[in-house]
Amino acid sequence: DAGVTQSPTHLIKTRGQQVTLRCSPKSGHDTVSWYQQALGQGPQFIFQYYEEEERQRGNFPDRFSGHQFPNYSSELNVNALLLGDSALYLCASSLDFFGESPLHFGNGTRLTVT
Amino acid sequence: DAKTTQPPSMDCAEGRAANLPCNHSTISGNEYVYWYRQIHSQGPQYIIHGLKNNETNEMASLIITEDRKSSTLILPHATLRDTAVYYCIVRVAIGNQFYFGTGTSLTVIP
Repeated sequence: DAGVTQSPTHLIKTRGQQVTLRCSPKSGHDTVSWYQQALGQGPQFIFQYYEEEERQRGNFPDRFSGHQFPNYSSELNVNALLLGDSALYLCASSLDFFGESPLHFGNGTRLTVT
Repeated sequence: DAKTTQPPSMDCAEGRAANLPCNHSTISGNEYVYWYRQIHSQGPQYIIHGLKNNETNEMASLIITEDRKSSTLILPHATLRDTAVYYCIVRVAIGNQFYFGTGTSLTVIP
């Protein structure tokens, strides 16, 4: 049973460019969340998708957007990249939106903006 | 907006129990406490969670005080592979929105 998978594992972009990160949730999970983790910091919540809609959003600008597909997979898009967007981007999935089921994380995409 | 407070670092001798404390004094009655750990360059790994009763699984035990304002994660026999950053998280009641703090960096010493 595959866990949460993310692609690519590493990415280098130039300031001002746009990037798309992808996530496949753990089998049976329907809720996907995205987190940004800067070096030496804990993960920061970006947003959460359930039933193909953004349900919750953290304190991130509109440059960060996402999508959830009918098969529950998800994308994170970041426009007009800034140097400060360099971070580990983590995707997490859970069994249900309303219950207490824990988040299961992928190993992330390391984004470097130069 | 972390709702938890943890010591920044701790050491533990290999084979001994590691007791990691967490304060969550503003927790609401229907909010769960979750523990995760993160080994360098990997995603956070779920360990255990609870509401008000003590919990135990194959990885660890979670002790929550009666007033629910603090909790302790216990790794009964720490190994070198338990060296990681441990996060104590209070989950917002609706949805799976987890707020991570800066965690406790646990070093298991041979």
